[in-house]
Amino acid sequence: NAGVTQTPKFQVLKTGQSMTLQCAQDMNHEYMSWYRQDPGMGLRLIHYSVGAGITDQGEVPNGYNVSRSTTEDFPLRLLSAAPSQTSVYFCASSRNSNQPQHFGDGTRLSIL
Amino acid sequence: ILNVEQSPQSLHVQEGDSTNFTCSFPSSNFYALHWYRWETAKSPEALFVMTLNGDEKKKGRISATLNTKEGYSYLYIKGSQPEDSATYLCAFWKVGAAGNKLTFGGGTRVLVKP
Repeated sequence: NAGVTQTPKFQVLKTGQSMTLQCAQDMNHEYMSWYRQDPGMGLRLIHYSVGAGITDQGEVPNGYNVSRSTTEDFPLRLLSAAPSQTSVYFCASSRNSNQPQHFGDGTRLSIL
Repeated sequence: ILNVEQSPQSLHVQEGDSTNFTCSFPSSNFYALHWYRWETAKSPEALFVMTLNGDEKKKGRISATLNTKEGYSYLYIKGSQPEDSATYLCAFWKVGAAGNKLTFGGGTRVLVKP
């Protein structure tokens, strides 16, 4: 019972590099989202998707792209990494708003 | 209130004491209110999803109430234990022209002292 799987768990990048954080869920959830967690700021929504082919921006979308070609996968792309994007990133999914979010284990990203 | 606010930001509780804290959220376009428990170095875990005004939910020694008309929810911990030490997050699910999204508060960090 995998739930929500995030890879990698840790990553160090240099400023200007690009990379993709992977998120996959096996629960057939329609709603998927990406959050970043910074000290003293809780969880902030980056992008979310209400189903395959549908994505929308959250509170802090700048510098990130997403796509949702399948129900299972929701990758987050950093286009040109900046030190301000150093954070812990969580992917989450749920069936709908009345159901709880299931979170992945997080990706700790450091940008030098 | 435009965003989700939680108070206090942190609190220390003596083992065995009961405590409670608040989540405030916009009372318009309400759809659901979520509570999560987040232990250090782990992922948030769901406690409750509340949708109806007056809802009360309970899970062991933890319970929550919801007032959608005035825009607040209380989380209660009865007889706190050291294993209750965690950050408790509330999140407001809003449906509207701006999208269909879940917005989290900053959390209340609870430390239970033995």
